[in-house]
Amino acid sequence: DSGVTQTPKHLITATGQRVTLRCSPRSGDLSVYWYQQSLDQGLQFLIQYYNGEERAKGNILERFSAQQFPDLHSELNLSSLELGDSALYFCASSVASQGKGYTFGSGTRLTVV
Amino acid sequence: QQQVKQSPQSLIVQKGGISIINCAYENTAFDYFPWYQQFPGKGPALLIAIRPDVSEKKEGRFTISFNKSAKQFSLHIMDSQPGDSATYFCAATNPNLFFGTGTRLTVIP
Repeated sequence: DSGVTQTPKHLITATGQRVTLRCSPRSGDLSVYWYQQSLDQGLQFLIQYYNGEERAKGNILERFSAQQFPDLHSELNLSSLELGDSALYFCASSVASQGKGYTFGSGTRLTVV
Repeated sequence: QQQVKQSPQSLIVQKGGISIINCAYENTAFDYFPWYQQFPGKGPALLIAIRPDVSEKKEGRFTISFNKSAKQFSLHIMDSQPGDSATYFCAATNPNLFFGTGTRLTVIP
């Protein structure tokens, strides 16, 4: 157990729907990062939050959004889902805003049908 | 644009052999180069990391070789074991983490 908790582990939904993925960072970590892993794209950085504020944005689509709550857990919202959004979504956490030691959760496997 | 290029995409090595995975980067502002190991159904886990002022770092059977002038770094796994079979990602930070595309390593008994 890495200490980073992601729920749910698996999610199957239809195109056009909206889902929310949840991440609880490791105790003491203030930064949360979201990554998308697909077969042909590897691990793509989506977005980072640090202590409740957005810190950095990567290749995140406009249909996707995230937030970090006062208790530091984070949610990634994916809307108007397309077949191509099927992927593993990982959350990672680190202590500082510029993390060197990222700890990853076990991921949420999203399947859009 | 892929910030960190990784090769090969897949690698099959005999038990006891040496596994070598190579990565290259362009951004000279990268200041930390970790390697992650990922088993099926799990998230990536930090394996070993190096800073650009060091040319080599060894931890057990795992060694990173770093060539700053060539902007290349590699992971060597000595005495490869079937339990090492996993996907390996190189990465670089500036300050966020950018991953290579991954190498699926299979160690056959």
